Amino acid sequence: AQRVTQPEKLLSVFKGAPVELKCNYSYSGSPELFWYVQYSRQRLQLLLRHISRESIKGFTADLNKGETSFHLKKPFAQEEDSAMYYCALSGLTYNTDKLIFGTGTRLQVFP
Amino acid sequence: DGGITQSPKYLFRKEGQNVTLSCEQNLNHDAMYWYRQDPGQGLRLIYYSQIVNDFQKGDIAEGYSVSREKKESFPLTVTSAQKNPTAFYLCASRDSYNEQFFGPGTRLTVL
Repeated sequence: AQRVTQPEKLLSVFKGAPVELKCNYSYSGSPELFWYVQYSRQRLQLLLRHISRESIKGFTADLNKGETSFHLKKPFAQEEDSAMYYCALSGLTYNTDKLIFGTGTRLQVFP
Repeated sequence: DGGITQSPKYLFRKEGQNVTLSCEQNLNHDAMYWYRQDPGQGLRLIYYSQIVNDFQKGDIAEGYSVSREKKESFPLTVTSAQKNPTAFYLCASRDSYNEQFFGPGTRLTVL
């Protein structure tokens, strides 16, 4: 079965500290992984995807197929990073037309 | 702020009533989705449509119905059969690069 697990409901850090939001997945084929972000009073939007291999707002995420993980990292957190982050999976092998979301992690960055 | 629009922003329903949530998009996307967002549960897929006049059940379709008569529109009806309809509802559409674009949401409260 397809599943996305985000073990942390809340992650609190101080400004300038490193951040790692954990995401593990279960999918028997080749997956496509995404991170979506929802800032306060804004729409849910795509932050980054593993296929594009780019850094967005200082965030990076590497797909580790051996550990079935797609953790989101940023070396120095900023207050404006405070938001709800969702990891999501889409299949490249089957179920290619749906996104499976994790339960989300709320990131709080204190000044 | 075009793209995906949802109305109304807030909706109140009495028990036993059916209500319809509107979702419109001007992105010319074929695929559209309805999600339910509850605290601690992430986004759960209710229904989705890959093309006009076709739609599929998601993970939690019971008590909901949809139609897709036009490419731009994908309304969701919450029926009286839905046992716990109070939630935040998100509509999305998907582009050809597999990115989903979300609306601002409708908060439904059952009185």
